[in-house]
Amino acid sequence: AQSVAQPEDQVNVAEGNPLTVKCTYSVSGNPYLFWYVQYPNRGLQFLLKYITGDNLVKGSYGFEAEFNKSQTSFHLKKPSALVSDSALYFCAVRGTNTGGFKTIFGAGTRLFVKA
Amino acid sequence: GAVVSQHPSWVICKSGTSVKIECRSLDFQATTMFWYRQFPKQSLMLMATSNEGSKATYEQGVEKDKFLINHASLTLSTLTVTSAHPEDSSFYICSGDRGGTGELFFGEGSRLTVL
Repeated sequence: AQSVAQPEDQVNVAEGNPLTVKCTYSVSGNPYLFWYVQYPNRGLQFLLKYITGDNLVKGSYGFEAEFNKSQTSFHLKKPSALVSDSALYFCAVRGTNTGGFKTIFGAGTRLFVKA
Repeated sequence: GAVVSQHPSWVICKSGTSVKIECRSLDFQATTMFWYRQFPKQSLMLMATSNEGSKATYEQGVEKDKFLINHASLTLSTLTVTSAHPEDSSFYICSGDRGGTGELFFGEGSRLTVL
């Protein structure tokens, strides 16, 4: 069975500082990994994904994420945080084996960026 | 990106009534749509996978007679909460799979309040 863990309920960072939101996963087969962002009372917006290729993937709004197979991690990063980045961030995994078609989400990490 | 429209965005109903939520993919054909439920300050819980022209696949613990899903066309899936009770109050989010790319495209969500 596939699973996603986001160990931090909340991450606080000052504007202009780098930010990291952690994610580890468990899936059989090759993983499809995703990050989504959710603003209050809204649906989720896709940020970036890793399917194959370079371990460092770049996405929307200056975010990037690094795939680390040995550590089964896919941490979200941004070199310089903005107050407008404050939101709820979800890591997600989609298996590629039969039966692993569905996307499973982590518990979410709330990011607060302080001015 | 692809656009998914979800309607209504919020609904209040009396206990015992049924509520239908529509999810439309506006600019792509979604052979598969997913329905999620999100409790306050919690992650998304996958309820069911909806495939066009066939019966939905429900996750363990989700009552299929309670949450009726119909995917009659490549652009429309509906979720009907039958005989709603206050414990069904939640934020329901649909998403479409465009196929091949992996990421999901989400509707804006529907907040259901059952009195």
